[in-house]
Amino acid sequence: GIQVEQSPPDLILQEGANSTLRCNFSDSVNNLQWFHQNPWGQLINLFYIPSGTKQNGRLSATTVATERYSLLYISSSQTTDSGVYFCAGVRGGSEKLVFGKGTKLTVNP
Amino acid sequence: DVKVTQSSRYLVKRTGEKVFLECVQDMDHENMFWYRQDPGLGLRLIYFSYDVKMKEKGDIPEGYSVSREKKERFSLILESASTNQTSMYLCASSPSDRVAGYTFGSGTRLTVV
Repeated sequence: GIQVEQSPPDLILQEGANSTLRCNFSDSVNNLQWFHQNPWGQLINLFYIPSGTKQNGRLSATTVATERYSLLYISSSQTTDSGVYFCAGVRGGSEKLVFGKGTKLTVNP
Repeated sequence: DVKVTQSSRYLVKRTGEKVFLECVQDMDHENMFWYRQDPGLGLRLIYFSYDVKMKEKGDIPEGYSVSREKKERFSLILESASTNQTSMYLCASSPSDRVAGYTFGSGTRLTVV
């Protein structure tokens, strides 16, 4: 079936550190998206990245669709980056978004 | 900015009550979705709609129904609330042309007692 796998499941950083989160997906998943869920539960769309690289401030993402993975880079992490990061992809031929289990990031001051 | 607004942030209902969760988006998106999120189970799709009056079942539709009478509004209905429907409910919308991803509302934390 459809699979979206994220690693690591948990990550603890000191403020200022850099990190890389990985998402592997099956060949029937496309239109990769990255979300950040804040402590209040809201999911914020960080990147819509079917392929290539995008940057937004301290965050950037790269998707290599031919090799079925995507990476989210967080540089100079801040305590406000804490939360759960999800990657998700659309099932081929549908609009249904399939989520990975997430990476829980804790950034300590 | 795209905005998806959910009518309630927190809701407490009694077992057996009929519950309406409302979601409104202001960017003319064709697609709208309802998910629930539970610890250890992740996000699960309940229903989605790709057009007015159109609906499709997601992965866990049992105990729920939906209504989409207008393009901007997608309602989730719990016909007879049960304690196992206590959860965080998240609404989302997306454009059909896939030029952008999903936008989620801030969620409704429903407790059924």
